[in-house]
Amino acid sequence: DAKTTQPPSMDCAEGRAANLPCNHSTISGNEYVYWYRQIHSQGPQYIIHGLKNNETNEMASLIITEDRKSSTLILPHATLRDTAVYYCIVIVAGTYKYIFGTGTRLKVLA
Amino acid sequence: DADVTQTPRNRITKTGKRIMLECSQTKGHDRMYWYRQDPGLGLRLIYYSFDVKDINKGEISDGYSVSRQAQAKFSLSLESAIPNQTALYFCATSDLRPGGNTGELFFGEGSRLTVL
Repeated sequence: DAKTTQPPSMDCAEGRAANLPCNHSTISGNEYVYWYRQIHSQGPQYIIHGLKNNETNEMASLIITEDRKSSTLILPHATLRDTAVYYCIVIVAGTYKYIFGTGTRLKVLA
Repeated sequence: DADVTQTPRNRITKTGKRIMLECSQTKGHDRMYWYRQDPGLGLRLIYYSFDVKDINKGEISDGYSVSRQAQAKFSLSLESAIPNQTALYFCATSDLRPGGNTGELFFGEGSRLTVL
């Protein structure tokens, strides 16, 4: 499975867009990019995933570069409740072995 | 009620004791997982199961065993607990989507285990 690299921490002002980067330079053509977040010590929560096209849902947008070597999770209007650790994971289509890294700790500031 | 339920939520035990953490789900998913999380670190995969006849080791299976008693139940056992197994343990489930892709993970609320 491809490895991912994320900054350990980021701050964002409340109401502004939070842009969380993820590097996955060794990603293969059949590997998806998934994003999860973990608030305090709760179980991680699924946010969004994509293969090569940009994706948007009610929580966030996922922008994947054309070469697929990196992606950005965008929270369009961050709130204090978005303060969490965000994990970027790549997983081969049809497999099951999610491997979590250490993620990015996002702090949304009032 | 939670779709993925873990018991106990908190447990303190002593070195050498046998501990079982239980997970049950009402989502009807075939795939179940056990993860552990140490303070300040990400989640590490211990075991995973596709169905009651399929058990697979994850990244850190040494010192752990699992049992898939039914589609809805997946238990994690520490046969002889040691202090460095003190951690937060999560159970998760996922389904298999049309086309063969694994769906997203749904996590339980976690079981905090302390081994003295």
